[in-house]
Amino acid sequence: QVQLQESGPGLVKPSETLSLTCTVSGDSIFSPSYYWGWIRQPPGEGLAWIGGVYFSGSTYYNPSLKSRVTLSVDTSKNQFSLRLSSVTAADTAVYYCARLRYSTSFYLDHWGQGIPVTVSS
Amino acid sequence: QSALTQPRSVSGSPGQSVTISCTGTSSDVGRYNYVSWYHHRPGKAPKMLIYDVSQRPSGVPDRFSGSKSGNTASLIISGLQAADEGDYYCCSYAGDYKGIFGGGTKVTVL
Repeated sequence: QVQLQESGPGLVKPSETLSLTCTVSGDSIFSPSYYWGWIRQPPGEGLAWIGGVYFSGSTYYNPSLKSRVTLSVDTSKNQFSLRLSSVTAADTAVYYCARLRYSTSFYLDHWGQGIPVTVSS
Repeated sequence: QSALTQPRSVSGSPGQSVTISCTGTSSDVGRYNYVSWYHHRPGKAPKMLIYDVSQRPSGVPDRFSGSKSGNTASLIISGLQAADEGDYYCCSYAGDYKGIFGGGTKVTVL
């Protein structure tokens, strides 16, 4: 079955860059009908869309984060990654990666467990 | 773009039905039949319950159903069970390859 697992540091200093990786198993990141997405949940708040990346490297971002976010794929490792620059305390959240069905539909059918990230000095 | 509007909480007794609404705009919920619903329990991965407004993935009980009217989508949970407790989120396609989530609804089984 499809599984996703986030990895990366749980603590990032303000103004630095947050880097997370999602490892996909049970499916190929080359799947043509799927994007690979990132979502986050700040403490006490709901889910928020960050963006998605296709195996070709095409990326789509939430406009509110676009200037600071970079998504990429590593097809050799079946992984995709998130980089968020110039972080502040407002970026403290649980970060989830997910498989996103796109084209004739739009939904997130498989998610990782989430990784908590705290921005603090 | 603001989050979709969901009630903060709903509750019901075992066996009862509850309905969670998800209100957006003519740019998201009202424009696309791409509304999905997710059940999220603390420390767990969110689980998709409904996609494309009313479609259930295999393995999801038919106690869960979805619908849409205008700019508002709804999730109905019938035959409420203790395992249904948790947070529920709606998500709609909002154009330009992006999605928008609701603020979440906490379901409590009394």
